[in-house]
Amino acid sequence: EPEVTQTPSHQVTQMGQEVILRCVPISNHLYFYWYRQILGQKVEFLVSFYNNEISEKSEIFDDQFSVERPDGSNFTLKIRSTKLEDSAMYFCASRDGRSEEEKLFFGSGTQLSVL
Amino acid sequence: AQTVTQSQPEMSVQEAETVTLSCTYDTSESNYYLFWYKQPPSRQMILVIRQEAYKQQNATENRFSVNFQKAAKSFSLKISDSQLGDTAMYFCAFMESGAGSYQLTFGKGTKLSVIP
Repeated sequence: EPEVTQTPSHQVTQMGQEVILRCVPISNHLYFYWYRQILGQKVEFLVSFYNNEISEKSEIFDDQFSVERPDGSNFTLKIRSTKLEDSAMYFCASRDGRSEEEKLFFGSGTQLSVL
Repeated sequence: AQTVTQSQPEMSVQEAETVTLSCTYDTSESNYYLFWYKQPPSRQMILVIRQEAYKQQNATENRFSVNFQKAAKSFSLKISDSQLGDTAMYFCAFMESGAGSYQLTFGKGTKLSVIP
């Protein structure tokens, strides 16, 4: 079965540094998402992306965050200047968008630790 | 805005027994999707089961089934013949359909422990 893949699985960074989290969505999917989960808390929506632009974003997704689809396969989340509170598991997800059976497929996540 | 409530932070069940996890939601929409996701210790999010609000029939996937009560806005998950591998966090999630970005709204989760 096709999978959403995320790299790296763990990322450690110093506060104030920029990080880029990478995702390869399922190849024929049209919609892409980033979610995050702070340890012990629920999964929260960050942003959705369709047709090379952001379609929706949450309050969490402030100016420190950006997303990009630099080529036909990758989908990245950039945090410009990381803060301690950005430490979380970040999940990429994708959705076909043309199927009657709407399903969101998640990657295995990138655990970001900001020191 | 939609909200999803899981009132059981933790549950346990004996291996081979049946357990039911509760979920309620609040929405003004008439058409939507509901999901249960499993998150094992590896923290990967795995789709367990999916229900479309316009379908009366409760979804089933092998040992997993749901009790969907649309009027009561309730969506419980039943796990039959529990196995040790079912030990995980279980998240109930809501997705509005028909417009927008189809973002998921998650509940806080129920930690399920299957006891040998």
